[in-house]
Amino acid sequence: DIVMTQSPESLAVSLGERATINCKSSQSVLSRADNKNYLAWHQQKLGQPPKLLISWASTRESGVPDRFSGSGSGTDFTLTISSVQAEDVAIYYCQQHYSAPLTFGGGTKVEI
Amino acid sequence: EAQLVESGGDLVHPGGSLRLSCAASGFTVSNYMSWVRQAPGKGLEWVSIINSAGGTYYANFVKGRFTISRDNSKNTLYLQMNSLRVEDTAVYYCVRGRGYIFDYWGHGTPVTVSS
Repeated sequence: DIVMTQSPESLAVSLGERATINCKSSQSVLSRADNKNYLAWHQQKLGQPPKLLISWASTRESGVPDRFSGSGSGTDFTLTISSVQAEDVAIYYCQQHYSAPLTFGGGTKVEI
Repeated sequence: EAQLVESGGDLVHPGGSLRLSCAASGFTVSNYMSWVRQAPGKGLEWVSIINSAGGTYYANFVKGRFTISRDNSKNTLYLQMNSLRVEDTAVYYCVRGRGYIFDYWGHGTPVTVSS
């Protein structure tokens, strides 16, 4: 099984500041067949279901603000919120979509 | 517009059974669909997936106890849960997939296993 490890567990930032969340996989999620990284990021606000923000490590879903960006390759990935807004308070989860069993990181709580 | 509505969650004794349903609208459940759960105050945990060919995969902790299925004529996904344990207590989310990417989540149905 691919183990996903996120850091930090929680992050307090000021409005307008940059937030950086890290995600490490226990084995590479980069496919040699298509040269794509099979890594997604989900956002879960309090009392709501998760919402997909980014797939393929860096491809934003339609409607996701461009202050959210994903980067990384192989086993090390980063979600960056360039200028945190009040509505970004949430828990963020990385997820590998490379192979079953599908696995999530433990989550990073972003607070203002 | 896509919509997923889960139902069937309840309070059940250890060893009991439940069947969760997930009614979809705005798209077909005949593609990839999953169940993901979240224990109280905990993170997300994938449970099972059914692919477009009907192939099914399960997390190790539910193998042999849970069965995922769908009825395309009703556009509904199911999760049959048997031999339930206290540690199965969670909100169960029905999730649409683009392959293994979880791209749309329902609001979840709570399952409590307790004596």
